[in-house]
Amino acid sequence: DAKTTQPTSMDCAEGRAANLPCNHSTISGNEYVYWYRQIHSQGPQYIIHGLKNNETNEMASLIITEDRKSSTLILPHATLRDTAVYYCIAFNYGQNFVFGPGTRLSVLP
Amino acid sequence: DTEVTQTPKHLVMGMTNKKSLKCEQHMGHRAMYWYKQKAKKPPELMFVYSYEKLSINESVPSRFSPECPNSSLLNLHLHALQPEDSALYLCASSHEDREGRKLFFGSGTQLSVL
Repeated sequence: DAKTTQPTSMDCAEGRAANLPCNHSTISGNEYVYWYRQIHSQGPQYIIHGLKNNETNEMASLIITEDRKSSTLILPHATLRDTAVYYCIAFNYGQNFVFGPGTRLSVLP
Repeated sequence: DTEVTQTPKHLVMGMTNKKSLKCEQHMGHRAMYWYKQKAKKPPELMFVYSYEKLSINESVPSRFSPECPNSSLLNLHLHALQPEDSALYLCASSHEDREGRKLFFGSGTQLSVL
């Protein structure tokens, strides 16, 4: 599995965009980038995933660099409910879904 | 129905007890997972079932015994656990299509071993 690295923690002001970076410099061509988040004492929740194109859904946007060595998850208007641990995972069929330490995002009022 | 339901939500057991954790999904997913999560750590994969057969066992001690009675149910039988087994146990199921694989997680069972 490709190893991903993320900042340990980040703060974001409520109402502002939260930009969470992820490095995956050893990602292979057929590995997707997935983002999950885990709010305290709940199960992880799927946010978004992509292969090489930028993706957007009702929760977030995913920007993947052209060389695919890094990506950014964007929460356009962060709310207090977005406070959680955010996990970036590089994954391909046949692999296990492995979580790294993630980024602890605190949205501040 | 897009839920994975886990019961019980909380469980306290002694080291000599036998208990079971239950997980249920009705999304037609054919892969189901058990993860273990210690406080302030990421989830760690324990077992994977694919089409009701155990496909992955991540070197989990035999005091944890998984069972998949049918495509909707996944159990984790616990026997002679140790205090260090206290953790949040998460069940997940997954769906695959042309756009990739998505795991759907339950809220977990918080287990305390005394």
